[in-house]
Amino acid sequence: GAGVSQSPSNKVTEKGKDVELRCDPISGHTALYWYRQRLGQGLEFLIYFQGNSAPDKSGLPSDRFSAERTGESVSTLTIQRTQQEDSAVYLCASSSSIAGVRFFGPGTRLTVL
Amino acid sequence: DQQVKQNSPSLSVQEGRISILNCDYTNSMFDYFLWYKKYPAEGPTFLISISSIKDKNEDGRFTVFLNKSAKHLSLHIVPSQPGDSAVYFCAASAPEAGNTGKLIFGQGTTLQVKP
Repeated sequence: GAGVSQSPSNKVTEKGKDVELRCDPISGHTALYWYRQRLGQGLEFLIYFQGNSAPDKSGLPSDRFSAERTGESVSTLTIQRTQQEDSAVYLCASSSSIAGVRFFGPGTRLTVL
Repeated sequence: DQQVKQNSPSLSVQEGRISILNCDYTNSMFDYFLWYKKYPAEGPTFLISISSIKDKNEDGRFTVFLNKSAKHLSLHIVPSQPGDSAVYFCAASAPEAGNTGKLIFGQGTTLQVKP
């Protein structure tokens, strides 16, 4: 596709369940980022992948959060034992390089009941 | 600690007038600044950027000004159009150990341009 795609667009889950969010970056983009935006707040950095380098996980809020990326393609963000404070829009972005402009996907709106 | 702050949550201007969106930062190591625009139910889209070696960058109706001594940047939109109504985020990056180049975003300012 021409842009970054994310699925699902909306996810409603019960507290304590695990969820998996998917991101398909722009083809050829080596850098991939996950952000989240909670209601009324700015975008919060979660994790960053660059090629085959070790990911920068410094933004992950707890060990319930993890992410993987297969080569330079799809990434999945997994949240285990979801809590209500995990409710947010989770945004994925990709760029052609570290200094490149980030292109964002439409986000996944996660609601934890 | 909020390193990038947008203190005005909202701004309303008349079509044709100037819109000025402000952003303050605390980290003097930031060397690159960007503005993103976000419509509802869409991801943010890149608008304009500026390097810390410059104090102004212009692209059509959009101009970003950087005042390093005040740690302040602003986005000017002239003339404002109803289609500019969106949430605007400023973001900054700094070279860090490992050079991940991650962006730090402000909270966003919702701009409404009235016809």
